[in-house]
Amino acid sequence: EAQVTQNPRYLITVTGKKLTVTCSQNMNHEYMSWYRQDPGLGLRQIYYSMNVEVTDKGDVPEGYKVSRKEKRNFPLILESPSPNQTSLYFCASREAKWNSPLHFGNGTRLTVT
Amino acid sequence: AQSVTQPDIHITVSEGASLELRCNYSYGATPYLFWYVQSPGQGLQLLLKYFSGDTLVQGIKGFEAEFKRSQSSFNLRKPSVHWSDAAEYFCAVERDYGQNFVFGPGTRLSVLP
Repeated sequence: EAQVTQNPRYLITVTGKKLTVTCSQNMNHEYMSWYRQDPGLGLRQIYYSMNVEVTDKGDVPEGYKVSRKEKRNFPLILESPSPNQTSLYFCASREAKWNSPLHFGNGTRLTVT
Repeated sequence: AQSVTQPDIHITVSEGASLELRCNYSYGATPYLFWYVQSPGQGLQLLLKYFSGDTLVQGIKGFEAEFKRSQSSFNLRKPSVHWSDAAEYFCAVERDYGQNFVFGPGTRLSVLP
């Protein structure tokens, strides 16, 4: 089954404790991205990657890191999480062509205390 | 900067009634437009997309949307709403360099029995 898999689904952590949210897709998509969803703001893009070893900042990259060493994986790293990073995070992938839709994972709800 | 607005934060309709969700975009060129639906605890699923050609596009689950360039709108419609349509709906625009999306803030739909 074609899917985007994120782990974990829920994560509670404390300020400053490094964490990684994993994302993997099995559709051989070139493009992957991370979004955060906050009430009233919709989805805002954090980082995206157009292919292996090619990443770029989205609209809200501060406090986040990503890497793309393999085509299927695109982990999101929070080196020193802060409470304002409490949010619902989505990973997505798509083919690298116009008008191809995004395929989303089921989300990771992160709480930073 | 490109932006997407969804004027209605929350809409409530009775089951069997018709539905229209509004979406307006600010964009300088011919946009690629999408509607996504998010059920509780789930990722986003593509409902339909507009690329070019016929301005009335059909999607899954009986939804359709009409692109009106003169009004910079891409409103989503359904003639008869089912209880299972209760969800959050997001309009999105693909940016012109092809690898990035801008999402609206979302409209939450409640359906009364």
